[in-house]
Amino acid sequence: DAKTTQPPSMDCAEGRAANLPCNHSTISGNEYVYWYRQIHSQGPQYIIHGLKNNETNEMASLIITEDRKSSTLILPHATLRDTAVYYCIVRGPNTNAGKSTFGDGTTLTVKP
Amino acid sequence: DTAVSQTPKYLVTQMGNDKSIKCEQNLGHDTMYWYKQDSKKFLKIMFSYNNKELIINETVPNRFSPKSPDKAHLNLHINSLELGDSAVYFCASSREEGTGVNEQFFGPGTRLTVL
Repeated sequence: DAKTTQPPSMDCAEGRAANLPCNHSTISGNEYVYWYRQIHSQGPQYIIHGLKNNETNEMASLIITEDRKSSTLILPHATLRDTAVYYCIVRGPNTNAGKSTFGDGTTLTVKP
Repeated sequence: DTAVSQTPKYLVTQMGNDKSIKCEQNLGHDTMYWYKQDSKKFLKIMFSYNNKELIINETVPNRFSPKSPDKAHLNLHINSLELGDSAVYFCASSREEGTGVNEQFFGPGTRLTVL
């Protein structure tokens, strides 16, 4: 599985969009980009995933560059409850999860 | 309804003891996992398991062993507990590997403290 690089921390004002970047320059053609988050003391929570096209769900949007070497998770209207560690993971469809890892992630702090 | 549950939520024990953490999922998933999150918050896969294959992270000591009585349960047994085993352990599940996209659903975690 391709490795990912994320900034260690980011701040965002409440109500504003939070844009979390992830670099995955060694991504393979069939590997998906997944995003999870972990709110303090809780288990990680799946947010969204994508392959090539931009994706949107009720939680967030995922923008993947045309060369697929990087992506951005967008929380359109961040709230205080979005404060968490956000993990970007790249993984192939037939790759056992036992061979993929969560990196250090980005600690997002949403401020009033 | 809780999708992935773990018991106990907290576990405090002495060095050298043997303990187990239980995990159950009611999502009908075929694959389950155990992760360890240490004090530095790094989330590390320990095992993934379905009815076909057990994948063990090679860095996991053999004192740790997963036991699956059925598809909905994956328990973690730890023998001869050491101070370094203190961490939060998360269970997770997903649809069968190889079916394409596999989002994982995590339990609430078990905080293990070894004294």
